Amino acid sequence: KAGVTQTPRYLIKTRGQQVTLSCSPISGHRSVSWYQQTPGQGLQFLFEYFSETQRNKGNFPGRFSGRQFSNSRSEMNVSTLELGDSALYLCASSFRDRDTGELFFGEGSRLTVL
Amino acid sequence: AQKVTQAQTEISVVEKEDVTLDCVYETRDTTYYLFWYKQPPSGELVFLIRRNSFDEQNEISGRYSWNFQKSTSSFNFTITASQVVDSAVYFCALAILTGGGNKLTFGTGTQLKVEL
Repeated sequence: KAGVTQTPRYLIKTRGQQVTLSCSPISGHRSVSWYQQTPGQGLQFLFEYFSETQRNKGNFPGRFSGRQFSNSRSEMNVSTLELGDSALYLCASSFRDRDTGELFFGEGSRLTVL
Repeated sequence: AQKVTQAQTEISVVEKEDVTLDCVYETRDTTYYLFWYKQPPSGELVFLIRRNSFDEQNEISGRYSWNFQKSTSSFNFTITASQVVDSAVYFCALAILTGGGNKLTFGTGTQLKVEL
């Protein structure tokens, strides 16, 4: 069974640009969550989607947005990039709504903002 | 608000030593879940264990064991007879049940280095 797939794995952007990251969950999983990991702030929850609906949102500015498609694939977008957005962005999937933590993570998309 | 503290930033041990990773949590909710995840250099977080707030029974899985004590708000993780392959960053995390869903609050992680 294929795991959670995130693309691209690495990318470099400049300040002011926008970026879209993609996440394909494990087949059959309907919940997708996104986390940001930085050396300074650690792992922080961004948002969670289930059946195309955002169920939870973390404390991030409106520049961070996401969506989920009918096939459960999810994208997150960051607009007007700032240097502080450089991070590893991790996507996680689970089968059920509110699986409460038994998540399967991808290897992440490492974003560098110059 | 929830908070998870992993006071040990980095631990180095020699192979076959036992090592305990500490985790202290804070929450006002009475129903919650605690987790441990492992992050190898490849980056993905690997689920190790989930424990709910009503189950204080300790658990052992092979060389891994977990000690949950509500009285001290701690959920410590012990690796017995450590191996080089155990080298990774280990995260403790907390999720509240009420509306929490899959929103985890993570600790800052403990880097474990196991040397020959």
